[in-house]
Amino acid sequence: DAKTTQPPSMDCAEGRAANLPCNHSTISGNEYVYWYRQIHSQGPQYIIHGLKNNETNEMASLIITEDRKSSTLILPHATLRDTAVYYCIVRAGTSSVSGNTPLVFGKGTRLSVIA
Amino acid sequence: NAGVMQNPRHLVRRRGQEARLRCSPMKGHSHVYWYRQLPEEGLKFMVYLQKENIIDESGMPKERFSAEFPKEGPSILRIQQVVRGDSAAYFCASSPRDRLYEQYFGPGTRLTVT
Repeated sequence: DAKTTQPPSMDCAEGRAANLPCNHSTISGNEYVYWYRQIHSQGPQYIIHGLKNNETNEMASLIITEDRKSSTLILPHATLRDTAVYYCIVRAGTSSVSGNTPLVFGKGTRLSVIA
Repeated sequence: NAGVMQNPRHLVRRRGQEARLRCSPMKGHSHVYWYRQLPEEGLKFMVYLQKENIIDESGMPKERFSAEFPKEGPSILRIQQVVRGDSAAYFCASSPRDRLYEQYFGPGTRLTVT
């Protein structure tokens, strides 16, 4: 079972920031927060992951609260092509030894970017 | 660098037939995962393989399903004696050895059992 809770759906105006929340109150010390998204009928796409520090890459930013019980994925300037289901996943480790556990997908948040 | 390739993209089988789904990981990736997505549901892990080894098959149904990743060639997910409940999208993902935290997914094979 997924260890995360996400709102089922959200809307965002094109060009605005999309802030997708995720609760993971039972996260343990060695577990990372991962975000993937699935555009309709395609395979999921890796977005970003983090442990406790905020992370940023070319796709998004990840803000993790100090107690690590929740996080927010930020798409700074949402476009229509960002319409997708976004999955927040908690998973142990990133090393070659422990980072090979399967991803456990929940129901995710269906983000609709509106023109 | 080509992405993860899966074929066929669409497969129709009658009940009782066998389905063979193929996955070619990205170049240099030696770790392969199979996931299944039933209609209107999230993805469920099935099996994790490295070359010639099954590492974790905890998500595989006990009967009719098997997977392999030979030394040469693609990974194969085989479903014997398919039933209507096997109709789903089957996704393959691969990871590079030095970045196991990133899984790159293929476009999926949509299996329809009639």
